[in-house]
Amino acid sequence: EPEVTQTPSHQVTQMGQEVILRCVPISNHLYFYWYRQILGQKVEFLVSFYNNEISEKSEIFDDQFSVERPDGSNFTLKIRSTKLEDSAMYFCASSLDRGRTDTQYFGPGTRLTVL
Amino acid sequence: AQSVTQLDSHVSVSEGTPVLLRCNYSSSYSPSLFWYVQHPNKGLQLLLKYTSAATLVKGINGFEAEFKKSETSFHLTKPSAHMSDAAEYFCVVSVDTGGFKTIFGAGTRLFVKA
Repeated sequence: EPEVTQTPSHQVTQMGQEVILRCVPISNHLYFYWYRQILGQKVEFLVSFYNNEISEKSEIFDDQFSVERPDGSNFTLKIRSTKLEDSAMYFCASSLDRGRTDTQYFGPGTRLTVL
Repeated sequence: AQSVTQLDSHVSVSEGTPVLLRCNYSSSYSPSLFWYVQHPNKGLQLLLKYTSAATLVKGINGFEAEFKKSETSFHLTKPSAHMSDAAEYFCVVSVDTGGFKTIFGAGTRLFVKA
């Protein structure tokens, strides 16, 4: 069964550094998403991406964040100048279509620790 | 505003006994509702979803959930727990408010005792 994969599984970085989190969505899916879960808090939507552009973003997704689909398979989340409060689990997801009934398929997550 | 409440952060059952994980939602729009399970070091796996067809939804691994609009609930049940069911379970609401919103519950960790 096709899966969403994410690398790395754990990332430790120093405050102020840039990190790139990588995801490989399911190959025939068209919509891609990033979510994050700060320890002890709910999973929160960050951004959705379709046709090489952002389709929706939350108030969390500010200028510090950017997303890109650099090639036909990868989908990345870049966090510039990381802050302590960026420490969280980041989940990538993909779906075939985008509607309230469409299923999003999630990766296993990348745990980001900012020191 | 839309919200999802999972009423129990932890549930502990004995193997072979029923499982009940509770989820209530609040939405001004017609929601779709999902249950996902997350095993350690794995992605969130879809168990089942409700999208406005049958209110009793059957999913994988013997799980089912019933959408009760009058109670704004979507509780997840399984008649007989198995050790492999031990995991984190998330109730998720998706609505179309003019833009699509996906809202997660806080999660319920299920423990299964031998």
